[in-house]
Amino acid sequence: AQSVTQPDIHITVSEGASLELRCNYSYGATPYLFWYVQSPGQGLQLLLKYFSGDTLVQGIKGFEAEFKRSQSSFNLRKPSVHWSDAAEYFCAVGAREGGKLIFGQGTELSVKP
Amino acid sequence: KAGVTQTPRYLIKTRGQQVTLSCSPISGHRSVSWYQQTPGQGLQFLFEYFSETQRNKGNFPGRFSGRQFSNSRSEMNVSTLELGDSALYLCASSIDRNTEAFFGQGTRLTVV
Repeated sequence: AQSVTQPDIHITVSEGASLELRCNYSYGATPYLFWYVQSPGQGLQLLLKYFSGDTLVQGIKGFEAEFKRSQSSFNLRKPSVHWSDAAEYFCAVGAREGGKLIFGQGTELSVKP
Repeated sequence: KAGVTQTPRYLIKTRGQQVTLSCSPISGHRSVSWYQQTPGQGLQFLFEYFSETQRNKGNFPGRFSGRQFSNSRSEMNVSTLELGDSALYLCASSIDRNTEAFFGQGTRLTVV
C-alpha cells in the first residue's frame, strides 16, 4: 500500500539550531516528492519538490531536502531555524502520471527562543 | 498572480443540510484537487478534476461530490451533513496533472 510516514509528531528545537524532519514513503515506483508547511488555520505552502535529477533539492525559506532512493526517504533540513519556522510540516508523495497526493501525518515544529 | 481562492472561509451548518464550497484555481492551472483535513485522519484526498472530468476519487461516501467548470473553477458539495464532516477543506490547483500543487487557504466547515 502507498503510504508516507513522518515518525516525529512533534519536535522542539532552539532558535539558531539545525533541523531535520524525517519522511519515509512506501510506493510502487519512484514518486514525486514534496514538503509543505502549514501555519495554524492556514492552507499548505509548498516548500520544495523532487521530480528527478539532483537528489538534493533546495526550496524556499532556506530549506533543503535529500531524496535517498535506497532508504525510501526524503528528509527535510534547515541549517539554522528561525522562530517564524514554527508550524506543521507535511511530507507528500504523488504519482508521476498525476492524481492524488498522499500525505504523512505531519510534524509539528516548535522553536524555543 | 493571485493564488488559489476558496470561498467561503468559514461555514457553520446543521446536520442534515447540504453545503457547496467553491475554489478558483491559479490562472492557467487546469487541474484542481480537493482534500479534507481533520485532526484524527489528517489530510485525505477527495477528488481530482482536469478538463472538467473527474480523474480520481478518494474513499469518501457518495454524499461528497464535485465538479469543474470550463474556466477550471471547481465546486464541491456535501449533502446530508454529518458531525464528522466538520473539517478544513482544502483545494489545490496545478498547471497540469503531474505538476506541483498549490493550495488555497481552505474552508473551515463546522457541522452542529
